[in-house]
Amino acid sequence: DGGITQSPKYLFRKEGQNVTLSCEQNLNHDAMYWYRQDPGQGLRLIYYSQIVNDFQKGDIAEGYSVSREKKESFPLTVTSAQKNPTAFYLCASRISGNNEQFFGPGTRLTVL
Amino acid sequence: SQKIEQNSEALNIQEGKTATLTCNYTNYSPAYLQWYRQDPGRGPVFLLLIRENEKEKRKERLKVTFDTTLKQSLFHITASQPADSATYLCALDMDSSASKIIFGSGTRLSIRP
Repeated sequence: DGGITQSPKYLFRKEGQNVTLSCEQNLNHDAMYWYRQDPGQGLRLIYYSQIVNDFQKGDIAEGYSVSREKKESFPLTVTSAQKNPTAFYLCASRISGNNEQFFGPGTRLTVL
Repeated sequence: SQKIEQNSEALNIQEGKTATLTCNYTNYSPAYLQWYRQDPGRGPVFLLLIRENEKEKRKERLKVTFDTTLKQSLFHITASQPADSATYLCALDMDSSASKIIFGSGTRLSIRP
């Protein structure tokens, strides 16, 4: 099955710990994105990558880091510098020349 | 300032009626406007895209209009069904590279039998 996967679905961490969220796609898409969604709000862009080994900050990159070593993978690390990390995190991908974004199922992160 | 607003946090309508959702924006000049459906606890799913030079787009029971003068898009679901209940997000897409898409906060639609 082709698709985009995120793991885990639910994640709990203690305050002050870094945590890495996984995002994998086998759609052969060039671009990948990370969004954060808070209750009653739209999706806010954290980071995006249009090609391997290159990525750009989105609107709320502070306290987050990413890597893009492989086309299929775009992991997001939520660092202890992120002041309010509890949220629903969504990964998406897109093929060049097509504006439609394909989303993963999301990871709900709760920091205790 | 730049804003994208989806009118009505929630919309409740009777099954069989037409649901109309609104997306307004200010200080943006999008090349495309997209609509997505999001079910609780899941990722959004793409529904329709309309280009700035298109007035209207249809797909089965869905219709989208795009008025760049009014800076508004309307999303219609005709013959609505309880299964159409979800949150619908509009998104502004500035160029063909889709490097940055701006999402609205969504409208929660409930269709009652």
